[in-house]
Amino acid sequence: QKEVEQDPGPLSVPEGAIVSLNCTYSNSAFQYFMWYRQYSRKGPELLMYTYSSGNKEDGRFTAQVDKSSKYISLFIRDSQPSDSATYLCAMTHQGAQKLVFGQGTRLTINP
Amino acid sequence: DSGVTQTPKHLITATGQRVTLRCSPRSGDLSVYWYQQSLDQGLQFLIQYYNGEERAKGNILERFSAQQFPDLHSELNLSSLELGDSALYFCASRNTGGSYNEQFFGPGTRLTVL
Repeated sequence: QKEVEQDPGPLSVPEGAIVSLNCTYSNSAFQYFMWYRQYSRKGPELLMYTYSSGNKEDGRFTAQVDKSSKYISLFIRDSQPSDSATYLCAMTHQGAQKLVFGQGTRLTINP
Repeated sequence: DSGVTQTPKHLITATGQRVTLRCSPRSGDLSVYWYQQSLDQGLQFLIQYYNGEERAKGNILERFSAQQFPDLHSELNLSSLELGDSALYFCASRNTGGSYNEQFFGPGTRLTVL
């Protein structure tokens, strides 16, 4: 079993829809949670960063962390075709150097 | 543009060969991370260097090695290449003054082993 599980999709939704992306994890030591966006043939870019449990909002994006359930989510409101990309969750813990990534979910927003 | 540069963009080679991938971190970043991204394994951490010294090792094969030079650029050496080594290789650098573990990724090198 992988430390971080993420449904690879693909996920296809119409423009303007609310998108929900999720990851589950098994390592209770994880404290730092990130969402990266990766466009085709590009490197991942950091989208959201959250420490421990709770919510964080940035424009149309909301990240949620539920450590009790070992479950994290990324919500995208008013989705746009430009949001079409692969979204990767990543996490790590205090003192660790490496990030542990989910498989990534390929998202397509249809105009 | 993340500020991290990687060369070459594409590399096509044959089994048994050796290649070197190069990475220049963002200005001021002392940490360099190498990752491998394949369709079946996703993005996997390989190795990290900090100011010229190895700091952490992940799922890096013995056929692979890396180093970081005094000017902070890093090279990943892959030898005795196998078909399964075909993947995207990313370098990331970290701003030690920023958020914890906020890593900035380069555009990657796509390696194809034939």
